Amino acid sequence: DVKVTQSSRYLVKRTGEKVFLECVQDMDHENMFWYRQDPGLGLRLIYFSYDVKMKEKGDIPEGYSVSREKKERFSLILESASTNQTSMYLCASSLRRSTGEQYFGPGTRLTVT
Amino acid sequence: AQSVTQLDSQVPVFEEAPVELRCNYSSSVSVYLFWYVQYPNQGLQLLLKYLSGSTLVKGINGFEAEFNKSQTSFHLRKPSVHISDTAEYFCAVSGRTGRRALTFGSGTRLQVQP
Repeated sequence: DVKVTQSSRYLVKRTGEKVFLECVQDMDHENMFWYRQDPGLGLRLIYFSYDVKMKEKGDIPEGYSVSREKKERFSLILESASTNQTSMYLCASSLRRSTGEQYFGPGTRLTVT
Repeated sequence: AQSVTQLDSQVPVFEEAPVELRCNYSSSVSVYLFWYVQYPNQGLQLLLKYLSGSTLVKGINGFEAEFNKSQTSFHLRKPSVHISDTAEYFCAVSGRTGRRALTFGSGTRLQVQP
């Protein structure tokens, strides 16, 4: 079974803090994605990566950056957390030549106070 | 660009009744279509997908969906729901070429009542 793990299930941070969300997948997938999930808005793509050291902006990249130093790990960084970044963050991975099917981690619920 | 509209934010239904969750999409390119399910406090799990061929696709847990190209719809159905089907359901699309990220609808919360 594909396994995607996220470093924390729940996280509470203060406004202005730098926040790191880590995601690891164990199936040698080339593609990795970060989404945020908000009620009534579904999932929105923040960033994605097709390969190591490669990244592309998604639909809502403002206020976020990412890092992919190793194939299995994809990190989401909030440079200076703000209250409007309080949300559920979901990581996903897929094969390069997949037909779009993605495998999701359990999510990190981030609260910024 | 693609977009997905899920017409119902919540669908209450009694146990053993049939249910249909509606999904419409728009896209300038050919797409793959998906339904994902999210149980409480969990990540998303693939329910079923349409890639090509037969427009009626069957998924896990007795769910099925029908692709209708002329109406750009991909509605999800189950003939008899169980309490355990209570979850949030997301319709999603991805392009057949280029960016393979998913575009999601806003979700439909299915509430199965005894």
